[in-house]
Amino acid sequence: GAVVSQHPSWVICKSGTSVKIECRSLDFQATTMFWYRQFPKQSLMLMATSNEGSKATYEQGVEKDKFLINHASLTLSTLTVTSAHPEDSSFYICSASGREGRYEQYFGPGTRLTVT
Amino acid sequence: TQLLEQSPQFLSIQEGENLTVYCNSSSVFSSLQWYRQEPGEGPVLLVTVVTGGEVKKLKRLTFQFGDARKDSSLHITAAQPGDTGLYLCAGAGGSRLTFGEGTQLTVNP
Repeated sequence: GAVVSQHPSWVICKSGTSVKIECRSLDFQATTMFWYRQFPKQSLMLMATSNEGSKATYEQGVEKDKFLINHASLTLSTLTVTSAHPEDSSFYICSASGREGRYEQYFGPGTRLTVT
Repeated sequence: TQLLEQSPQFLSIQEGENLTVYCNSSSVFSSLQWYRQEPGEGPVLLVTVVTGGEVKKLKRLTFQFGDARKDSSLHITAAQPGDTGLYLCAGAGGSRLTFGEGTQLTVNP
């Protein structure tokens, strides 16, 4: 139980294009989903928190117009990196919480984004 | 701002050795989670500790939550190469998690 999927697992795109990453909770309803960014050999950096049906809350320093988050249902959240640039290349990980009313976060397998 | 200091950041040991990873904060957390992450994958939840002084065991891994719920430790007995990975502690405050910097563990055969 508590399985979270992400798609795609890796993506290469050209500078200036937009990329959408999907995060799904497969066997539970996630009241809250989180998006993290992780650089090599480093810990996770929270980008934003989203609750189903409401606007995402972004962390300080994260551009909300560049990283668009949509939490359309209790099982799906999407992160769109708009007008991607090479410095946006990173490992993006989502997590979901709310399973059985608990607070633990369950993480997806991550998406490796490379912007050329 | 809640901060979690995790130590050591890097640890390279031989198979069969014991090790302890520490996670410390000046803040009180409602719970603390430990995750293990392998390269190119998302973190996998190992355990959640909730009560001050709580000790949980998961095979060769022993997790302890400090009495004041500000610190935690992970002890691995007789480490194996399969234990290699990035270990992350994360303190819960509301729905958010505050992550430590991580401990990169390498167990050499």
